[in-house]
Amino acid sequence: ETGVTQSPTHLIKTRGQQVTLRCSSQSGHNTVSWYQQALGQGPQFIFQYYREEENGRGNFPPRFSGLQFPNYSSELNVNALELDDSALYLCASSHGTAIATYNSPLHFGNGTRLTVT
Amino acid sequence: AQKVTQAQTEISVVEKEDVTLDCVYETRDTTYYLFWYKQPPSGELVFLIRRNSFDEQNEISGRYSWNFQKSTSSFNFTITASQVVDSAVYFCALSEYTGFQKLVFGTGTRLLVSP
Repeated sequence: ETGVTQSPTHLIKTRGQQVTLRCSSQSGHNTVSWYQQALGQGPQFIFQYYREEENGRGNFPPRFSGLQFPNYSSELNVNALELDDSALYLCASSHGTAIATYNSPLHFGNGTRLTVT
Repeated sequence: AQKVTQAQTEISVVEKEDVTLDCVYETRDTTYYLFWYKQPPSGELVFLIRRNSFDEQNEISGRYSWNFQKSTSSFNFTITASQVVDSAVYFCALSEYTGFQKLVFGTGTRLLVSP
């Protein structure tokens, strides 16, 4: 069973640039969530995708957007990068149903460390 | 609003000691899930346990045990006979019953187990 994989592992960008982070979900999982973890803090929920549609979002501005593909892999895009966007970005996958996507635990990848200078 | 508090920022123990990590949560819902995750230096969050709000039975899994008490809104985690490999940051998290799974995490407790 292949776990959740994220790429790249590290990334350095300049303020104002745009970035795309990628995630391959665990085999058999159809739901992907993204979390932002600032240094020394717990992860913060960005959004969740179920069957290619965003079905839940946290308190993040619209410049944080995402995509989920037919194979359930996902991308997180961040436009107009700010210094405060520097963080570890974690992707998690799970198996959901049309009724609820909270029935199975989240399985996380190793994350992408983004540094904005 | 949901909130998870892990008051212990860092705990240091010597191998073979028992250690308890505290977690207190706040929610207005009567139906919710509680979780514990382990985050080793590699960064990956490793799932340890999930409990729903209707199941207050304590659980034991090897050296790990969990004590869920709704009366005090606590979900504490005990490691018995700690080992160096237990060194990591441990997060408690809460998820309410919505159409999607949104975990609200505490700030984590860093556990350092020395030989």
